[in-house]
Amino acid sequence: DAKTTQPPSMDCAEGRAANLPCNHSTISGNEYVYWYRQIHSQGPQYIIHGLKNNETNEMASLIITEDRKSSTLILPHATLRDTAVYYCIVRAPSKNTGNQFYFGTGTSLTVIP
Amino acid sequence: DTGVSQDPRHKITKRGQNVTFRCDPISEHNRLYWYRQTLGQGPEFLTYFQNEAQLEKSRLLSDRFSAERPKGSFSTLEIQRTEQGDSAMYLCASSLGRDSDNEQFFGPGTRLTVL
Repeated sequence: DAKTTQPPSMDCAEGRAANLPCNHSTISGNEYVYWYRQIHSQGPQYIIHGLKNNETNEMASLIITEDRKSSTLILPHATLRDTAVYYCIVRAPSKNTGNQFYFGTGTSLTVIP
Repeated sequence: DTGVSQDPRHKITKRGQNVTFRCDPISEHNRLYWYRQTLGQGPEFLTYFQNEAQLEKSRLLSDRFSAERPKGSFSTLEIQRTEQGDSAMYLCASSLGRDSDNEQFFGPGTRLTVL
């Protein structure tokens, strides 16, 4: 699976959009981009994933560049409860093996009042 | 609450003791994963089941570790002769076995402290 590069930490003012970047320059054509977050002492929480097109759900938007070498997770109106470590993961789907996620160290997002 | 439960949530044990953790995945999920997370690091993959078959094991899963999923439903992770280096959060996740993508739902984890 492709490696990802994320900034170790970011701050965002409450109510503003949080834009979390991820670089995955070696991504393969069949690899999806997933975003998870982990609030302190809890299990990781799924946010969103995509392959080529931009995606939006009730939590966030995922913007994937046309060459798919990078992506941005957007939290449109950050709240204090969005303070967490955000992980960008790329992996290919598989029927049997290789289904695990490689998390890296993620971006620690702090939402400031 | 994702629907994945883990028990116990916290375990303190003395070095050399055996411990066993349980994971109950979402009922219709046929895939189950165990991860380990140490302080300041992201979760690291340990092992993966598809139904009752253990299809992958990480190099992190030493011979002191064993995992089972006897009926393709709940799973147990046992650590024998625990060491202080085993202190970590042990996370379980489950997913549907779709071909196209694979969203994993994580439990709250079991925090192990080995004294």
